[in-house]
Amino acid sequence: GAVVSQHPSRVICKSGTSVKIECRSLDFQATTMFWYRQFPKQSLMLMATSNEGSKATYEQGVEKDKFLINHASLTLSTLTVTSAHPEDSSFYICSAREGSDWTIAFFGQGTRLTVV
Amino acid sequence: QKEVEQNSGPLSVPEGAIASLNCTYSDRGSQSFFWYRQYSGKSPELIMFIYSNGDKEDGRFTAQLNKASQYVSLLIRDSQPSDSATYLCAVKGTGGFKTIFGAGTRLFVKA
Repeated sequence: GAVVSQHPSRVICKSGTSVKIECRSLDFQATTMFWYRQFPKQSLMLMATSNEGSKATYEQGVEKDKFLINHASLTLSTLTVTSAHPEDSSFYICSAREGSDWTIAFFGQGTRLTVV
Repeated sequence: QKEVEQNSGPLSVPEGAIASLNCTYSDRGSQSFFWYRQYSGKSPELIMFIYSNGDKEDGRFTAQLNKASQYVSLLIRDSQPSDSATYLCAVKGTGGFKTIFGAGTRLFVKA
């Protein structure tokens, strides 16, 4: 399958600071990238969908000013958690796909964010 | 009603047995169905996908789809301790835009 690289894999930050997570498609052009959040023992919850060159579409209940998504190129999307708080601590996972809605998306390795 | 439902488990099977994981979905227009395996602390890994009614086999894994009953299952033959993980069912709904994940079933294979 296609390779999606996510960085960093783990980050600890102080409350009030911002954290940037990168998601790269290494061997294909990702026209669409998805950002998920997963709390312990819960399923993946879609936060937002980003298409290259356009604004991200956020799911209901996700604050777009808090979770900034940039998808400036066909191989890179970033998620910035601004003014992070302990309740933002979670496992953040990106996935990326090439082409139409019906192609399979592949997941990055995930980022464990801990806000202290 | 949740859009994609799975029994949370844990489902415990002895090594070498068949593990059967089930999933139901609510959107009758769903077209694509996926099974992912997720080890603790890791991101999901695609195991199988199925689009048509019936069975699809890949090695020790068989996905079964019954659109009339809105039911999809995953069978793991000759279960191994390394199969112990959480298995996520995912469904692409009408229009194919968004993929909805179930909460996952924890499988434990006893050596």
